[in-house]
Amino acid sequence: GQQVMQIPQYQHVQEGEDFTTYCNSSTTLSNIQWYKQRPGGHPVFLIQLVKSGEVKKQKRLTFQFGEAKKNSSLHITATQTTDVGTYFCAGQKTSYDKVIFGPGTSLSVIP
Amino acid sequence: EAQVTQNPRYLITVTGKKLTVTCSQNMNHEYMSWYRQDPGLGLRQIYYSMNVEVTDKGDVPEGYKVSRKEKRNFPLILESPSPNQTSLYFCASSSWPVKEQFFGPGTRLTVL
Repeated sequence: GQQVMQIPQYQHVQEGEDFTTYCNSSTTLSNIQWYKQRPGGHPVFLIQLVKSGEVKKQKRLTFQFGEAKKNSSLHITATQTTDVGTYFCAGQKTSYDKVIFGPGTSLSVIP
Repeated sequence: EAQVTQNPRYLITVTGKKLTVTCSQNMNHEYMSWYRQDPGLGLRQIYYSMNVEVTDKGDVPEGYKVSRKEKRNFPLILESPSPNQTSLYFCASSSWPVKEQFFGPGTRLTVL
């Protein structure tokens, strides 16, 4: 069945360093969403990408959707302690299909 | 305030004792979904609903039931819980087709 993978599983960075997590799907996606979950919290929506090659920015966060719509990335510039948490990507084969989440990348930021 | 609520937040039960976890949203969303979260596995979808009386299986539906009699409520039913259903459960809602999903605070279930 459809699978969504993420790498790395864990990332420890020094505050101020950059961070990137990668998301790869076994099938072409109609859209991809990114969520952030703080320790002890619930997932919170960050963004949805729908177009091939799309790039969106939110302050220090840059999101990309691959040309083939099978992969995506989230890049954080100059990490801060407030960026700590687990970042999940989630994709759908069509907009009317079930949502498949990746296993997440857990980010730790060392002050 | 727009929100998704779940009850109970914590539950310890024994094998075989039927239980229901409630989920309610006040955003008039068509789409609602249940996920379970286990370490290293991320969020796995159990069931989802596109509207009243319309539900479909997610990736891990075995051992669970759902119903969608009203738009705002989407309860998750475990008819005969087993220890492998010990997990953190999240309910979520969204407009349809799915865009931004709003998650509830989670229900931590332990089955002994």
